[in-house]
Amino acid sequence: ETGVTQSPTHLIKTRGQQVTLRCSSQSGHNTVSWYQQALGQGPQFIFQYYREEENGRGNFPPRFSGLQFPNYSSELNVNALELDDSALYLCASSPEGPRETQYFGPGTRLLVL
Amino acid sequence: AQSVSQHNHHVILSEAASLELGCNYSYGGTVNLFWYVQYPGQHLQLLLKYFSGDPLVKGIKGFEAEFIKSKFSFNLRKPSVQWSDTAEYFCAVHGSSNTGKLIFGQGTTLQVKP
Repeated sequence: ETGVTQSPTHLIKTRGQQVTLRCSSQSGHNTVSWYQQALGQGPQFIFQYYREEENGRGNFPPRFSGLQFPNYSSELNVNALELDDSALYLCASSPEGPRETQYFGPGTRLLVL
Repeated sequence: AQSVSQHNHHVILSEAASLELGCNYSYGGTVNLFWYVQYPGQHLQLLLKYFSGDPLVKGIKGFEAEFIKSKFSFNLRKPSVQWSDTAEYFCAVHGSSNTGKLIFGQGTTLQVKP
C-alpha cells in the first residue's frame, strides 16, 4: 500500500513568486489536510479538503489556497510568497472522514529568498 | 482558543531509562488525542491514539499514553528507552467541530545516549 506522497521534496523561490505543492493521498483516503511546520515548531493547520470541498481553514491568509481532485489528490498554492513562508509543508490524508486518524507525507521544504 | 502544551522541550536520557513526556490541552469538549513521532530524516508517524474507551492506550514500539480527562493530559510513557527512540515527539488534539484540524504541541526532542 502506497503512503502519502508529496512533490517536490525541496523548492527555492524568491519573494513575490507563486508556488504549487502537490500531494497524493494514501489509497482509499478521501480527506487531505495541509500543515505548515516552521523550524522548531509543531505543524500548524492550513486547511482541509474532504470530497473535493474545503472543510475547515486555519489562521492563514487568502493567498494560501488549495484544491482537491476527483482522485483525492490535492494541491496547495501560495501566492505572493513572503520570507516567513519558508517552512516544511506537510500533507496528511485520512480515510472516510475529516476526524479520522491523519497519516502524513514526507513534506515539501520551501525556502523563500 | 484551543492549544496543546508540551512541557519538556528537550529531554536527554540514557538507554534503559524510563520516559515520560507531558502533554496538556485546553479544550473542554470531546477530544481525540494523538502522539506522533518524527525520527531523524523521516516523516511524521503515528505512535498511538485515543478516541474513546480505556484511557490507557498502547502504541507501537512499547509506548503507551494515559488520558486523564480531569487533568486535560495525555502523557506519553515508555518503561525503558533505546537509542533508536531518539526523535522528536509531538502531541496533537482533535478538538471541536467536524473539521479534522489537528492542533499540535511544540514538540519534544528526545535524545537517548547509548
